[in-house]
Amino acid sequence: GAVVSQHPSWVICKSGTSVKIECRSLDFQATTMFWYRQFPKQSLMLMATSNEGSKATYEQGVEKDKFLINHASLTLSTLTVTSAHPEDSSFYICSAREGDFVNEQFFGPGTRLTVL
Amino acid sequence: SQKIEQNSEALNIQEGKTATLTCNYTNYSPAYLQWYRQDPGRGPVFLLLIRENEKEKRKERLKVTFDTTLKQSLFHITASQPADSATYLCALDRSNTNAGKSTFGDGTTLTVKP
Repeated sequence: GAVVSQHPSWVICKSGTSVKIECRSLDFQATTMFWYRQFPKQSLMLMATSNEGSKATYEQGVEKDKFLINHASLTLSTLTVTSAHPEDSSFYICSAREGDFVNEQFFGPGTRLTVL
Repeated sequence: SQKIEQNSEALNIQEGKTATLTCNYTNYSPAYLQWYRQDPGRGPVFLLLIRENEKEKRKERLKVTFDTTLKQSLFHITASQPADSATYLCALDRSNTNAGKSTFGDGTTLTVKP
């Protein structure tokens, strides 16, 4: 099946620094990628949708200047958490969809961000 | 407002029994519905997709039903095993295009006891 990787799998950073998370589709071209965050015992909360070569579409309440998304190619999307604060600590998960037909999302393994 | 509810936060059953998980939705007309499995600290893994014009889908020990009149999907795991213990998420999509976004329920954590 299709594989999506994320890097890093976990990161600890100081408050005020920026952190970049990479999401790659390894064996298919992802026309659309999604970024989610998930708090403990809660479901996935969609942050933004990104299509290759265009600006990301952010969900209501998600600050686009804080969570910078770049979908530079059909196999790579990055999420940069700028000026991170402890409240940004969460589990960030990306997913990718392939093609133009109805299908499932393939999720990455997630990145655990802890901001001290 | 649109709402997705999955039955009880936690479900405990004995090995060998059938686990039945429920996903109810309101104020929603999904084009299709999906079920995912998520293990702690991992991303969700796709299990089954069922379209609005389909009543039932099967895959090995898994079965999903979709009743658009009741606005409900049932997810069954037959002959359950301890390895089936995980959180199961339902997700609804309104669109048939590849840009469709899924809305996820909060999940049901299943524990299968040996």
